[in-house]
Amino acid sequence: EIVLTQSPATLSLSPGERATLSCRASQNINHYLAWYQQKPGQAPRLLIYDASRRATGIPARFSGSGSGTDFTLTISSLEPEDFTVYYCQQRYKWPPEYTFGGGTKVEIK
Amino acid sequence: EVHLVESGGGLVQPGGSLRLSCAASGFTFSSYWMSWVRQAPGKGLEWVANIKQDGSEKYYVDSVKGRCTISRDNAKNSLYLQMNSLRAEDTAIYYCASNIVAAGYLDYWGQGTLVTVSS
Repeated sequence: EIVLTQSPATLSLSPGERATLSCRASQNINHYLAWYQQKPGQAPRLLIYDASRRATGIPARFSGSGSGTDFTLTISSLEPEDFTVYYCQQRYKWPPEYTFGGGTKVEIK
Repeated sequence: EVHLVESGGGLVQPGGSLRLSCAASGFTFSSYWMSWVRQAPGKGLEWVANIKQDGSEKYYVDSVKGRCTISRDNAKNSLYLQMNSLRAEDTAIYYCASNIVAAGYLDYWGQGTLVTVSS
């Protein structure tokens, strides 16, 4: 089973600052990684897939990078609505296996 | 517009059963893999099961194998999850999700249905 480890667990920043979230895979997953945003009481929303491709309607301030085992989600300038939880997910062994990371919470400093 | 609406959740005793449903609209349901993902209260996301377009392949997370069955009715644009022998640790919001834009990624999600297993 591929394990995804997200860091940090919590990121405290101010609006307008740059956020850098990390996701590390326990083995090489090429570029088969996605990022999701989940706001309280809502379903997750796909932000980035294949490590760096923005999903439809996602603002340009969200970008993804990385390959192999180390991946990064960058939010270039935090908007108030960006303070929430983010998950990474791999599909290297799909089907059938999906794996999610444990999440990073971006909170207001 | 893609729309996924789950139903069927509720309070059930340990050992009981529930059948979750997901009504899909706004896309050609029969053309895409579909999945169930759950989230225990205050916890992260866990993939539960997925099913191929024609239902010929079905996969499950180890913790539900033998207790849950995923199925679909393409004529009704509906996805199902039959859950038996429910345990307290199955308590979660259950989401159905699609793989439309990019295979292997969950691009559209329903609002979820809450399953609570408790005596």
